[in-house]
Amino acid sequence: GQSLEQPSEVTAVEGAIVQINCTYQTSGFYGLSWYQQHDGGAPTFLSYNALDGLEETGRFSSFLSRSDSYGYLLLQELQMKDSASYFCAVSKAAGNKLTFGGGTRVLVKP
Amino acid sequence: DADVTQTPRNRITKTGKRIMLECSQTKGHDRMYWYRQDPGLGLRLIYYSFDVKDINKGEISDGYSVSRQAQAKFSLSLESAIPNQTALYFCATSDPGQAFSNTDTQYFGPGTRLTVL
Repeated sequence: GQSLEQPSEVTAVEGAIVQINCTYQTSGFYGLSWYQQHDGGAPTFLSYNALDGLEETGRFSSFLSRSDSYGYLLLQELQMKDSASYFCAVSKAAGNKLTFGGGTRVLVKP
Repeated sequence: DADVTQTPRNRITKTGKRIMLECSQTKGHDRMYWYRQDPGLGLRLIYYSFDVKDINKGEISDGYSVSRQAQAKFSLSLESAIPNQTALYFCATSDPGQAFSNTDTQYFGPGTRLTVL
C-alpha cells in the first residue's frame, strides 16, 4: 500500500514563508507532485520532483529527498490568495496514477 | 471554454437510485481518471483509463462502474447510490507525453457535488 503524511493545517501572515512537509511510504516511487485547491475549486498542478533537489517556480519551490522518502513545498512571500489546501501526491513507476495525501490547509492572515 | 467539463455540477438523489456523472475533455489526452474527495480529506482514485480500451480499478472502486465512450468522454456510474457515497467527485486527464518528460501533471474538471439522501 501507499501512505502520505502531511500536516493538516498551517497559519501564517502575509509576506511570511511556509513549508509544508510530506513524508511517504510507497511500494514504488516515480515522482512527487504538489497541487493547490481553493475552497470550492478544482485541484491545480503546482510542482513536480522526480529527482532529489529543489525545483523553483516563482514564489513556490518544491524539494525531494528520495532516500528519506520526504519532500516539501515552500511558499514564499505569502499572499492572501495563497489561502488554500495543498496536496502532495506520489506516482509509481507506471504512468500517471497518483496517490494523494490528506492535504494541508494554509490560512494566510493580514 | 473549460478543457475538462463535468455534468452535472450538483446532484441530490435518494438511496438506491442509479446515478451517472459525465466527464468530457477537449485537451486530446488519452488518460482519464475519476476521484472522490470527502470533506477534509485528499482525493482517492476510483477508476482510471489510459485509453479507450483500457479501464482499471483504483483504490475505492466498490459500488462504482465506469464507461469510456470515446477518447474525450469518461463516465462514472453509481449503480445503487448509498449515503456514504455523498462526496465531491472530480474527473481528471493527463498526457502520456508528459510521462516521458517526467511530469505527472493532471488537469482536473470543476467537480460534481453529489448528495445521497
